[in-house]
Amino acid sequence: GAVVSQHPSRVICKSGTSVKIECRSLDFQATTMFWYRQFPKQSLMLMATSNEGSKATYEQGVEKDKFLINHASLTLSTLTVTSAHPEDSSFYICSAKETGTALEDTQYFGPGTRLTVL
Amino acid sequence: AQKITQTQPGMFVQEKEAVTLDCTYDTSDPSYGLFWYKQPSSGEMIFLIYQGSYDQQNATEGRYSLNFQKARKSANLVISASQLGDSAMYFCAMREANTGFQKLVFGTGTRLLVSP
Repeated sequence: GAVVSQHPSRVICKSGTSVKIECRSLDFQATTMFWYRQFPKQSLMLMATSNEGSKATYEQGVEKDKFLINHASLTLSTLTVTSAHPEDSSFYICSAKETGTALEDTQYFGPGTRLTVL
Repeated sequence: AQKITQTQPGMFVQEKEAVTLDCTYDTSDPSYGLFWYKQPSSGEMIFLIYQGSYDQQNATEGRYSLNFQKARKSANLVISASQLGDSAMYFCAMREANTGFQKLVFGTGTRLLVSP
């Protein structure tokens, strides 16, 4: 199956700093990438959908100025958590979908990034 | 209203037995897709199986099968011959055509524990 990588896998930062998380599709072109957030023992909550070359679409309640998403190429999307605070500590997972609009198009997930803000 | 409901927070099964994980969904869109993902403790989401709303037959992938009952809006995952490595969180998810086939909405998950 297709492979999606995320970097870093784990990051610890001080409150007030910004953190960038990269999501790459390694062996396919991802027209659309998705960013999810998962709190411990909870489900995945979609934060935003990004399409290559255009602005991301954020879900209701997600601050676009705090969670900056850039999808500059067909294989790379980045999520920047700006001025991170302890409440931003979470598991962030990206996923990527190949070009197409079929219902059965599989979303391939990255391994996730665990962010801890001190 | 919840789009995807998984009522079993946890399930136990003995190795080599079969187990069914429940999933019900809510949609008025006639065109939708249902997915099951496995999330081991390491965190990555592993795609298991897909069922389309127009598919006539239940999907199967190796030891995984999906018991799709459209009228009841249920899409239960059946794992046959459980293995210790099946211990993980399992998420049911749905994608609807009216979202442009884009958004995947997840249920709250079921933690499966397989015992020797």
